Amino acid sequence: DAMVIQNPRYQVTQFGKPVTLSCSQTLNHNVMYWYQQKSSQAPKLLFHYYDKDFNNEADTPDNFQSRRPNTSFCFLDIRSPGLGDAAMYLCATSTGTGYSPLHFGNGTRLTVT
Amino acid sequence: GENVEQHPSTLSVQEGDSAVIKCTYSDSASNYFPWYKQELGKRPQLIIDIRSNVGEKKDQRIAVTLNKTAKHFSLHITETQPEDSAVYFCAASSAYGQNFVFGPGTRLSVLP
Repeated sequence: DAMVIQNPRYQVTQFGKPVTLSCSQTLNHNVMYWYQQKSSQAPKLLFHYYDKDFNNEADTPDNFQSRRPNTSFCFLDIRSPGLGDAAMYLCATSTGTGYSPLHFGNGTRLTVT
Repeated sequence: GENVEQHPSTLSVQEGDSAVIKCTYSDSASNYFPWYKQELGKRPQLIIDIRSNVGEKKDQRIAVTLNKTAKHFSLHITETQPEDSAVYFCAASSAYGQNFVFGPGTRLSVLP
C-alpha cells in the first residue's frame, strides 16, 4: 500500500545530543512536511518542501533543520535537543496541487532525557 | 496569514446523540477544508473534506457544511458511537494547496 513511513516510532535522545528523524513516502507526492505536535495540541508546521524548494516557517527554531535528498525521503535534524523539544513529530505529504489532503505518517515520539 | 478557530475545545455527548464542531477561518483565499480525527497516540486521519465551491458534503454518519460568506465550516456526526471518541482538527488550505492551517482541536467524548 502507498503510504508515509516514519522511523523510528520512538526515539530517546539526551539533552544536547543531535538526533535525526526520517520519513519516506511511496505516494510520489510533491510536498513533504514536518509537523511538531505536543499533548493533543494542533500539529505545528516546522517546514515543508515543494519538490526541492525548502520553505521554513518564521517561528521554527534554528535548532531544527531538514533535508530532502530525493522525492521519497525527508529528514528532520535536531541539532541540540532541549527538554522542550520532546514531542510527537509527524511527517506528512500532499500532491501540492490544491484540494489534496495531508497524508500523515505514524509519527516519531521523541523523548529528551 | 490564515487563522483558524475551533469550538468547542471539549465536547461530551451520549451515545446515539449528534455532535457538532464549528470552525471559522480568516483568509478568504482558503478554498479547501479537511477534517482530521486523531485517536490517542495515533496519526491524524482524514475523515472528510470539502471544497469552497460546495456547500455540504456527507459520508454516512459524517457531514461537513461550509458557509463561504461567513467563513464558517462545521463537522456534524450523527448517531455517535464510543469509537468516535477522539480529538478532531479542522484545517484550511489555500488555492495552492501547500499550506494547511489547523484549528486547535476538539476533544470529543462519546459516553456509553
